[in-house]
Amino acid sequence: QVHLQQSGPGLVKPSQTLSLTCAISGDSVSSNSAAWNWVRQSPSRGLEWLGRTYYRSKWYNNYAVSVKSRVSINPDTSKNQFSLQLNSVTPEDTAVYYCARDQAGSLHHWGQGTLVTVSS
Amino acid sequence: DIQMTQSPFTLSASVGDRVTITCRASQSIGSWLAWYQQKPGRAPKVLISMASSLESGVPSRFSGSGSGTEFTLIISSLQPDDSATYYCQQYNSYSWTFGQGTKVEIK
Repeated sequence: QVHLQQSGPGLVKPSQTLSLTCAISGDSVSSNSAAWNWVRQSPSRGLEWLGRTYYRSKWYNNYAVSVKSRVSINPDTSKNQFSLQLNSVTPEDTAVYYCARDQAGSLHHWGQGTLVTVSS
Repeated sequence: DIQMTQSPFTLSASVGDRVTITCRASQSIGSWLAWYQQKPGRAPKVLISMASSLESGVPSRFSGSGSGTEFTLIISSLQPDDSATYYCQQYNSYSWTFGQGTKVEIK
């Protein structure tokens, strides 16, 4: 049974970096068949996939075009978790952020969601 | 990015009705499409992957079809528990995108 547990601050100041972590149980971040994603949701932007990291003999990343210059998703094999960093945030980045596991593209397991507000 | 356009934006139907939701892609995505159901305050739940493959545990009244740029989610007999917002998602390209959602209400 795969379980994803998110952690991180709910309030970030404009221009700073948003950082969230997703701890994995029931699978390995180094799995050769799964990938580890971040998705966000806001009333103005709907559901927005941000990117993913996965291991296939080496580590790969894919990022959404909309955030590619500001986003980084990284695995931490020692803690079996992965993280999201989003730089230079603005109020437009206010959203509920989810981590999620995909297997061949569709997102089957999701974290509980974290509301992140960007405000001074 | 590949744009995903769902219709209708909202629909209201009675218990037992057949409900159809459409998703159009701005370019061909083969069968690389999933459908999700989301209820308020909850994460989305995958219903269908590869356009027509029903996920384990999902009631058989849900079905998906289509390929290329046109896809359909059908609820054959709407139930009260189906009140939710439904999203399509393409995973054909290296940058995935969702539709804007279809809110299904029970009359």
